[in-house]
Parts: sequence; C-alpha cells; structure tokens
Amino acid sequence: KAGVTQTPRYLIKTRGQQVTLSCSPISGHRSVSWYQQTPGQGLQFLFEYFSETQRNKGNFPGRFSGRQFSNSRSEMNVSTLELGDSALYLCASSLWGGRGSTSYEQYFGPGTRLTVT
Amino acid sequence: ELKVEQNPLFLSMQEGKNYTIYCNYSTTSDRLYWYRQDPGKSLESLFVLLSNGAVKQEGRLMASLDTKARLSTLHITAAVHDLSATYFCAVPHNAGNMLTFGGGTRLMVKP
Repeated sequence: KAGVTQTPRYLIKTRGQQVTLSCSPISGHRSVSWYQQTPGQGLQFLFEYFSETQRNKGNFPGRFSGRQFSNSRSEMNVSTLELGDSALYLCASSLWGGRGSTSYEQYFGPGTRLTVT
Repeated sequence: ELKVEQNPLFLSMQEGKNYTIYCNYSTTSDRLYWYRQDPGKSLESLFVLLSNGAVKQEGRLMASLDTKARLSTLHITAAVHDLSATYFCAVPHNAGNMLTFGGGTRLMVKP
C-alpha cells in the first residue's frame, strides 16, 4: 500500500512570490491535514480537509489556504511569501471521519521543505 | 486552549539505561499519539493510545495513558543508539484530526 506522497520535496522561492504544495493521501483516506514545522514554533496545525470540506483551521493568516479534490488529493497555497514561511510542511492522511470511526492513525508524508529567500 | 508539554526537552543517555519521557496536556482528550522524527525526516507513528489506562509496547518503547491525570509516558528500556531521535506526543481536539503537538524530546543515546 503506497504511503502519503508530497510534491515537490524541496522548493526555493523569493519573498513576495506564491507557492502551491501538493499532498496525495493513502488510498481510501478522506482526511488530509497540513502542518508547518519550524525550529522556533515547532509543529503547528494549518488546516484539515475531509471530503472536500475544510473541517478545522489553525491560527494562520489568510495567506495560507488549501483545498481538497474529489480524489482526496489536497493542495495548500501560500501567497505573498515571507521569510518566516520557510519551514517543513507536512501533510497527514487519516481514515478517521468522526465519531463512530474506529481507525485513528494519522500517517505523515515526507514533507516539502520550503525556503524563502 | 489546548496546551501540550513534554519533558525533558533534551535527554542524553547511555546505552543500556532506562528512562521516561513525560507528556502533559491541559484539556480532556480520549486519544494521544506518539511520533518519532529522525533529523531531516518526517514523522513516524509509534503509538495511538485510545483510553484511560491504555498501555502499548513495541520493542524497547512502552507508552501509557492516564486520562484523569492528563498524562502520558513513553518509557525506554535498555536504550540503544538506534533510538536516537526526537519524540513528539500529540493530542487531538474534539473534532476531526487537528493535533496539538508537544515541543518534542530530543533523545541522544551514547554508546
């Protein structure tokens, strides 16, 4: 069974540009969550999508947005990049759909390392 | 606001020794996750603890959950160098899969 895939793996952008990152979850998983990891702030939740709907959103500015497609693949977009957006962006895939679900595992992809210069 | 605290943040230990990492969280939760991260890598799932008193073991690692005390422990038995990594605990909010992570415990096992 293929794991979570993220593309691209590495990205260098200039301040002010925008970027789109992609995440393909494990087959059959409908929940995709995004996290930002930095040395200073640690791991922080960005948003979660389930069946093409944003179910939860973290405390990030509106420059960070996402979406999910009917095949459960998800993209996140960061507009007007700032130096502080340099981070490892991780997506997590889960079967869990709410109360009554029995599978709680969240599997993380390899991440996209974004460097903003 | 849910807060998750781990201690210690850094742990240097000798091979063969035992030690425990602690994870405290501030609001009630019915689940707790433990992950391992190697330098430059992603998060590897170690355990999902689903109820009060839950205990899970895999090799030299054993995790437990006390929901009443809002405390989870990750116990390392007879540490080996291969266990060197950063360990994170994470607690979900009530709805969905939104996880709040602890700050991580960087473990170094010296030969």
